[in-house]
Order: sequence, then C-alpha cells, then structure tokens
Amino acid sequence: QQQVKQSPQSLIVQKGGISIINCAYENTAFDYFPWYQQFPGKGPALLIAIRPDVSEKKEGRFTISFNKSAKQFSLHIMDSQPGDSATYFCAATPYNNNDMRFGAGTRLTVKP
Amino acid sequence: DAMVIQNPRYQVTQFGKPVTLSCSQTLNHNVMYWYQQKSSQAPKLLFHYYDKDFNNEADTPDNFQSRRPNTSFCFLDIRSPGLGDAAMYLCATSRKGFSNQPQHFGDGTRLSIL
Repeated sequence: QQQVKQSPQSLIVQKGGISIINCAYENTAFDYFPWYQQFPGKGPALLIAIRPDVSEKKEGRFTISFNKSAKQFSLHIMDSQPGDSATYFCAATPYNNNDMRFGAGTRLTVKP
Repeated sequence: DAMVIQNPRYQVTQFGKPVTLSCSQTLNHNVMYWYQQKSSQAPKLLFHYYDKDFNNEADTPDNFQSRRPNTSFCFLDIRSPGLGDAAMYLCATSRKGFSNQPQHFGDGTRLSIL
C-alpha cells in the first residue's frame, strides 16, 4: 500500500522553466515531509523539507508548498537548469519516528 | 565531512553465493537503515537498527539479514542471492529520539548476480 502518492512519473521542462512535482498522503500522523534528489549512481540526498505548521518553505530555487487540509504538498523548482535533471522523491515521516515512506519518484529532465 | 560510506560500490556474486555489503558512518547517528532500490523505483526499506535493537520490515525475505557490531558499522548479509536480488542497496542513518530528522544516505552498492 503506497502511503505517499507522487506525480508525475516523469517530467520534461525547458531550461529556465518551472518544474512542479506533486505528492499526496493519507496518514495524518505524518509530521515531516522531506524531498530527496537522486542522481544516477548516487544515493538520495536531502533537498528541502517542511513541517505541516507552515504552508511554504523556500530555499534558493526550490520551494515546498504544503496544504495540510488537502493532505498535499508539492515541490517547485524555479528557473530549472539542466543540472537539476535527476529523480526526485517526496517522503513523509510520522512525528518522532523515522519510519519514512517514499513516493514513487519523478524523473525530471531539463532540456537546454 | 561526516558521511555515510558504503563498500564496495559494485559487487558481483554468483547465484546462491553468500554476499555481505558494508556501511559505515561518521555521523554518530543511533539509527541505521538498509534499503533496496531497483531501477526506476523508490527505495524499499528492508530493516533498521535503533541502537542495537533490530527492526525487520514484515515483507523482507528471510534471505536478508543484518548485523550491527557497533554504532559506526552495519552489514547486510544476503545468504543465497537470487536473480531478483540484483539491485542497488542503500544504507542510511538518522537520529531517532529527535523529531523531524532526515535520513542521510550513502551512495549505495550495486549488486549484480551472475
């Protein structure tokens, strides 16, 4: 049973465009929502994370938008660059518990 | 830099021949995880250690076992690898007991089965 649903499965964006990846969850015990970036042959690396007491978090070109009532959150990559081409995973973790559940992943390709 | 190190990066073994993958960390985290990741899929949690307490996921095959001799090291043993066990194996660490702690991943060991 997939506890975190992620879409789209793949995404192609032109350089300079905005990449948007969406995730939804059911378990209201989730309290921490990280996004991981994974390049081929590498392990996932933490990109940005949010707690449900805020609706938005921005770090450079990366922004998480969080809608607690809808149980949805999304990653926005502004001014997308070819170097952003990677697989992105959303995840969710219950409070005080590191039992992290991943979304299925989105393969992002940014074309020059 | 503090990090999670996995050795070897690539491992080839024969069908049915036991293999051990290793992970070490300099983060002094009390939780260590093993994930299996197949091509174009999300990492799948196999088990984790909270200090010395072992926690197995319900659907992890008995063929997979783990050892954690101390805080810094953790091993994944595959007793009789089958062709379906070919995958990337990822080790991760985190601090349990603190809320909202991310997991830190190594770069994985890619296991091939001949």
